[in-house]
Amino acid sequence: DSGVTQTPKHLITATGQRVTLRCSPRSGDLSVYWYQQSLDQGLQFLIQYYNGEERAKGNILERFSAQQFPDLHSELNLSSLELGDSALYFCASSGGVGETQYFGPGTRLLVL
Amino acid sequence: AQSVTQPDIHITVSEGASLELRCNYSYGATPYLFWYVQSPGQGLQLLLKYFSGDTLVQGIKGFEAEFKRSQSSFNLRKPSVHWSDAAEYFCAVGATSGTYKYIFGTGTRLKVLA
Repeated sequence: DSGVTQTPKHLITATGQRVTLRCSPRSGDLSVYWYQQSLDQGLQFLIQYYNGEERAKGNILERFSAQQFPDLHSELNLSSLELGDSALYFCASSGGVGETQYFGPGTRLLVL
Repeated sequence: AQSVTQPDIHITVSEGASLELRCNYSYGATPYLFWYVQSPGQGLQLLLKYFSGDTLVQGIKGFEAEFKRSQSSFNLRKPSVHWSDAAEYFCAVGATSGTYKYIFGTGTRLKVLA
């Protein structure tokens, strides 16, 4: 158990819909990272927050957004969903820049 | 630009045989280096990491990795593979300065034959 929690574990929705994925970092970790893992794209870094502020952006689509709240949990919002958004979405947390990232169990999203 | 290459997409070894998974990186300075393992349907688990110091790093589950600056490599090794080691292995590089970046390799899927 990494100490990072993600909800829900599974999510099935339809194209065009909007979903929110939630992540609670390890106690004391200030950084949260979001990743998308799909069969064709591999593990892709989406976005990083540090203590409530966006710190780095990766291959995140404009239809996707994220935020980190004062209690340090984070949410990833995916809107106007397409079939190709079906993937595993991981959250990770770390204490700071360059430090080890600890991964949550992931949310498996299926868009039908 | 930062990059990570895992040249082997699939590797098959017999149980009890030795294992080496390759990882090459490109980065202007000494990066932070990591190996993660992912079992089917699971999240990523950290096996080991290198930040500085001794270039031979010991990790969990009997794994070790050696940082070779001259070859820009951080290969993962295990002297005797167990069937439970079958999984996907990811090498990752973390930038140590500036805007933080954390890049994963494409992964190596390990199959273990009984």
